[in-house]
Amino acid sequence: AQSVTQLDSHVSVSEGTPVLLRCNYSSSYSPSLFWYVQHPNKGLQLLLKYTSAATLVKGINGFEAEFKKSETSFHLTKPSAHMSDAAEYFCVVIGGSGNTGKLIFGQGTTLQVKP
Amino acid sequence: GAGVSQSPSNKVTEKGKDVELRCDPISGHTALYWYRQSLGQGLEFLIYFQGNSAPDKSGLPSDRFSAERTGGSVSTLTIQRTQQEDSAVYLCASSLADGIITGELFFGEGSRLTVL
Repeated sequence: AQSVTQLDSHVSVSEGTPVLLRCNYSSSYSPSLFWYVQHPNKGLQLLLKYTSAATLVKGINGFEAEFKKSETSFHLTKPSAHMSDAAEYFCVVIGGSGNTGKLIFGQGTTLQVKP
Repeated sequence: GAGVSQSPSNKVTEKGKDVELRCDPISGHTALYWYRQSLGQGLEFLIYFQGNSAPDKSGLPSDRFSAERTGGSVSTLTIQRTQQEDSAVYLCASSLADGIITGELFFGEGSRLTVL
């Protein structure tokens, strides 16, 4: 079965410093992995996705993530945090195969950005 | 608007009452999904529609929950005899037909349900 584990429930950084949000996955086959972001009172938005084309994936707003099979990780990074990055971030894997519509979400990481 | 629209945005009801939550997907999106987001449970998959049929409804927590989709567009999630543990934000998403492969879902802002 597919699953993702987000290693931190809360991350706090200062504006202008790097961001690292950690995610480990478990999958019986090559997974499709995603990061979604949820700003307060807004709908979830796709940030970036990995589907085996390239291990380093670039997303919106300067975020990127690297797929590391040896470490079963898909950590999200950004070189310099902005106040507007404060939100909840979800690591996601497509669950199952065939005719299922199930995205499996991690528990989420709340990113706080301090001025 | 061009996004996924959900109504009501907030619903407070008494235990034992029935509620209906509505989702209006993005025009042209054939796939539609319902998720539930609650404290301590994260985001839980409820049901997935492709057109008007539901190939995967494995996430519906009990027979008090049902959903339908008509005309390949609007969907309604119905919760009968609501219980306090049903309190959560119910999220709807839509996608193109291959959304279950691409993972590119477009979410609404959710309907917050509070059961007193």
